[in-house]
Amino acid sequence: NAGVTQTPKFQVLKTGQSMTLQCAQDMNHEYMSWYRQDPGMGLRLIHYSVGAGITDQGEVPNGYNVSRSTTEDFPLRLLSAAPSQTSVYFCASRGPGHNSPLHFGNGTRLTVT
Amino acid sequence: GQQVMQIPQYQHVQEGEDFTTYCNSSTTLSNIQWYKQRPGGHPVFLIQLVKSGEVKKQKRLTFQFGEAKKNSSLHITATQTTDVGTYFCAGLFSGGYNKLIFGAGTRLAVHP
Repeated sequence: NAGVTQTPKFQVLKTGQSMTLQCAQDMNHEYMSWYRQDPGMGLRLIHYSVGAGITDQGEVPNGYNVSRSTTEDFPLRLLSAAPSQTSVYFCASRGPGHNSPLHFGNGTRLTVT
Repeated sequence: GQQVMQIPQYQHVQEGEDFTTYCNSSTTLSNIQWYKQRPGGHPVFLIQLVKSGEVKKQKRLTFQFGEAKKNSSLHITATQTTDVGTYFCAGLFSGGYNKLIFGAGTRLAVHP
């Protein structure tokens, strides 16, 4: 049982480049989310999804797109990377009910130069 | 907007000393969760508090939820080097059950 799997682990982009961070979970969780972690700012919610075909914005959605075509996958797209998007990105999923805890992936460390 | 404030940002203790981190919200929380992140790792769920005034214990860790459900604390008794990491609180606000809002975290360093 792999849980939540994120790829890649590390990525370096140049300003203006695009890329997709991948996230997959094998726990049949309907809820999935993306957070970014920056020093002194904790984890900030970017986007989330409550099921296939349904996505919504979190606290800091600008510059990021998401889609949810399957229950298992929730990719995060950066269409035109900016240095301000240098961060560690975590994908997390949750079981049924809003009281269920989040299960995090191992993260993707992204640097935009 | 909905925010969860957490203090202190850093705490350095000698092994064996106690440690406490505090979280505060300006509005009532539906529940509060606590996570621990080891250096270089990902956040791992510790516990959830739901009821007003709730107190839960996990070995040397004691978690409290305030009577007004606006604040919470995590207390570690007699810290050990294995307690090193960043501790986050995260709150769910009524009507925002799909947005778990994290505090900034408290990074704990334990000196042997």
